[in-house]
Amino acid sequence: GESVGLHLPTLSVQEGDNSIINCAYSNSASDYFIWYKQESGKGPQFIIDIRSNMDKRQGQRVTVLLNKTVKHLSLQIAATQPGDSAVYFCAEAANFGNEKLTFGTGTRLTIIP
Amino acid sequence: DTAVSQTPKYLVTQMGNDKSIKCEQNLGHDTMYWYKQDSKKFLKIMFSYNNKELIINETVPNRFSPKSPDKAHLNLHINSLELGDSAVYFCASSQVRGRYSPLHFGNGTRLTVT
Repeated sequence: GESVGLHLPTLSVQEGDNSIINCAYSNSASDYFIWYKQESGKGPQFIIDIRSNMDKRQGQRVTVLLNKTVKHLSLQIAATQPGDSAVYFCAEAANFGNEKLTFGTGTRLTIIP
Repeated sequence: DTAVSQTPKYLVTQMGNDKSIKCEQNLGHDTMYWYKQDSKKFLKIMFSYNNKELIINETVPNRFSPKSPDKAHLNLHINSLELGDSAVYFCASSQVRGRYSPLHFGNGTRLTVT
């Protein structure tokens, strides 16, 4: 992921709405992408991953979209719940799979009750 | 049944001291890592070990020395602590090196150097 500045980007979404978190990556050789969720005081928690031979992957309430042409990754969360409030990170790795995962800046998602 | 556990959770110490952080994983994974998260939440890899062998050392000062007594443990020892070492340190593990399997993280150790 690329740096988007000094402050953590934020996104506020009404409870029950869908949210989309975006991530731009810079390494065209990246072939593995992961989304992590980090709650306060905890470590990053795996949400979903996708390899570069796919452009979409779905999990429970989450969908990851990969656009290799513009080097863009997004995480869609359906029907957001208060427990979805956290910082979300995209991470990328190239050539060697998971060995050297590079993390993006992170986006703070706040769910408004 | 914690998967990746680190101790201690908080570590407050003075400049110049030496401290250690311990990490254990019970997932049966082959590869373990140390990541550093700064005050802006940026996560950066420090070290990676595969079956007790160091495979990644990301330009970390040699005051930081990882040690892996077995593939389930990866400890981090820091000598002569400096103010800039204050951060949250995360241990992680993954099933197979160089394959498409995600990293599993511990809950971090918040190190504060005064």
